[in-house]
Amino acid sequence: QQQVKQSPQSLIVQKGGISIINCAYENTAFDYFPWYQQFPGKGPALLIAIRPDVSEKKEGRFTISFNKSAKQFSLHIMDSQPGDSATYFCAARVAGYSTLTFGKGTMLLVSP
Amino acid sequence: NAGVTQTPKFRILKIGQSMTLQCAQDMNHNYMYWYRQDPGMGLKLIYYSVGAGITDKGEVPNGYNVSRSTTEDFPLRLELAAPSQTSVYFCASSQLGQGENIQYFGAGTRLSVL
Repeated sequence: QQQVKQSPQSLIVQKGGISIINCAYENTAFDYFPWYQQFPGKGPALLIAIRPDVSEKKEGRFTISFNKSAKQFSLHIMDSQPGDSATYFCAARVAGYSTLTFGKGTMLLVSP
Repeated sequence: NAGVTQTPKFRILKIGQSMTLQCAQDMNHNYMYWYRQDPGMGLKLIYYSVGAGITDKGEVPNGYNVSRSTTEDFPLRLELAAPSQTSVYFCASSQLGQGENIQYFGAGTRLSVL
């Protein structure tokens, strides 16, 4: 079964701190790993994505770290802000397919 | 450019009733998807379509049906609604099946079956 395991389920970080969300997978056929951000009452939106041929991708305050040998990837939010408070989903896609398998999500709260 | 539009936003059904959740996209995307989101369970794929006239089952298709007669529209049909179908439903579309497959989501339909 294709699975992506995400942790923690919820996270509270102080403003200015670093938020870290982790995901692990078993299926080595995954070739694309996006992170989606969802605000209350809204649909998810792509935040950042990575392919397994790179170990890190950075976009502004958001960084994905990818460890192919450990089959793990993580999202780091630097200088976390109250506006980052949202639910974050990691996902993965099997090569040759269009569908995504999502983790269960992490609810992030950044306290002022 | 509205993106992905879902209607209705909210709906309450009685057990055994049926309804159709509407989804339309104006980005000329070939790929469309239906997900359900339950608290703490992430997004589960119900059905997806790779083009007009082509649909396939996802992880949780039981109790649902879809059709794709046009590129723009991808309605989801619930027959004989059950309490287990209480959820938030999201429709999404993407231009590509491969590469940087960015899925664009609608705002969701919140459904309660009582």
